[in-house]
Amino acid sequence: GAVVSQHPSRVICKSGTSVKIECRSLDFQATTMFWYRQFPKKSLMLMATSNEGSKATYEQGVEKDKFLINHASLTLSTLTVTSAHPEDSSFYICSAEGQTGANVLTFGAGSRLTVL
Amino acid sequence: AQSVSQHNHHVILSEAASLELGCNYSYGGTVNLFWYVQYPGQHLQLLLKYFSGDPLVKGIKGFEAEFIKSKFSFNLRKPSVQWSDTAEYFCAVNAGGYQKVTFGTGTKLQVIP
Repeated sequence: GAVVSQHPSRVICKSGTSVKIECRSLDFQATTMFWYRQFPKKSLMLMATSNEGSKATYEQGVEKDKFLINHASLTLSTLTVTSAHPEDSSFYICSAEGQTGANVLTFGAGSRLTVL
Repeated sequence: AQSVSQHNHHVILSEAASLELGCNYSYGGTVNLFWYVQYPGQHLQLLLKYFSGDPLVKGIKGFEAEFIKSKFSFNLRKPSVQWSDTAEYFCAVNAGGYQKVTFGTGTKLQVIP
């Protein structure tokens, strides 16, 4: 079945540094990938929609200069949290839409970011 | 804008009890509806989906959901839960023609043996 791999699963960084999270579709081509942020006791908040070969579409309130998204190939999208601050600490999850049909998402395992 | 609400945040049931988790959405047009499940320590996975056709949808592990258009609802049901159903369940909606999938806040189900 469709598998999405997300790396790293956990990362701790100092305030002011940048962190890159990778999302790969392992056995299918993902023309569209989504990045979510999950808050405790709250829903998954869609941050941006990433289409291969074009600029990402960011949701209202998400800073595009802070959360850089690149979808350079049909199997890889990256999220870079630039100049990270403690309030950026969160659980980031990617998902891909591809093989199993329109709007059906395959999720990565998520990346826990802690900014000290 | 589309939105999804799940009324139950935490549900505790004994094994063999019946389950119904509520999900309501707000969008007046054509929608695609989903239930995703996240078992402890695992990632989100699709439980079932509705695109069109029979409003009663059957998913994996004995789950089913019914789309009631007049009530803007897509409640998840299972006649007899098992301890292994302990997980968090997310309802999601996609307004027809758009890429964005919006999730509800999730319901944590705890099944007591």
